[in-house]
Amino acid sequence: GAVVSQHPSWVICKSGTSVKIECRSLDFQATTMFWYRQFPKQSLMLMATSNEGSKATYEQGVEKDKFLINHASLTLSTLTVTSAHPEDSSFYICSAPLGTSNEQFFGPGTRLTVL
Amino acid sequence: GENVEQHPSTLSVQEGDSAVIKCTYSDSASNYFPWYKQELGKGPQLIIDIRSNVGEKKDQRIAVTLNKTAKHFSLHITETQPEDSAVYFCAATDSGAGSYQLTFGKGTKLSVIP
Repeated sequence: GAVVSQHPSWVICKSGTSVKIECRSLDFQATTMFWYRQFPKQSLMLMATSNEGSKATYEQGVEKDKFLINHASLTLSTLTVTSAHPEDSSFYICSAPLGTSNEQFFGPGTRLTVL
Repeated sequence: GENVEQHPSTLSVQEGDSAVIKCTYSDSASNYFPWYKQELGKGPQLIIDIRSNVGEKKDQRIAVTLNKTAKHFSLHITETQPEDSAVYFCAATDSGAGSYQLTFGKGTKLSVIP
């Protein structure tokens, strides 16, 4: 199967700082990537759709100025949590569809803890 | 929009027994139904999927069935093993729009008791 990586796997930061999370498709190109947030014992909640070469599409209730998404290339999307607060602490996961096959492959996730 | 319901939320089975997890969806345009296994602290892993032109698909101990008329699909795991213990998520998507956006169920925590 296709491989999606994320970096870092975990990060601890102080309140008010910004954190960047990278999502890479290692062996395939992805014009679209998805960013999810998952709180403990809950399902995945779609935050936004990252589109290569154009603006991201955000889900209702997700602040686009707080969660900055940049899809700079066909293999890399980044999510920057700006001015992070403790309530932003969560597990952030990205995914990418493989070509036109519908199959989506997920990264290993990034655990963000904001102190 | 799509709504996916998943049951049960927790499931405990004895090693060797079968486990069944059921999902229903609301959007009749949905035509792709994947199942993911998520272990603690890890990202979801695709374990099996089914498309709307197929009623059943099997891969070793795992099978998925789809009833388009009733809009429900199920995951079947036979001969369960302790390593099957994880949270399982069903999902649905309408690939016709080209967006590949998945709608997830709330998950089922499966515990296989040795």
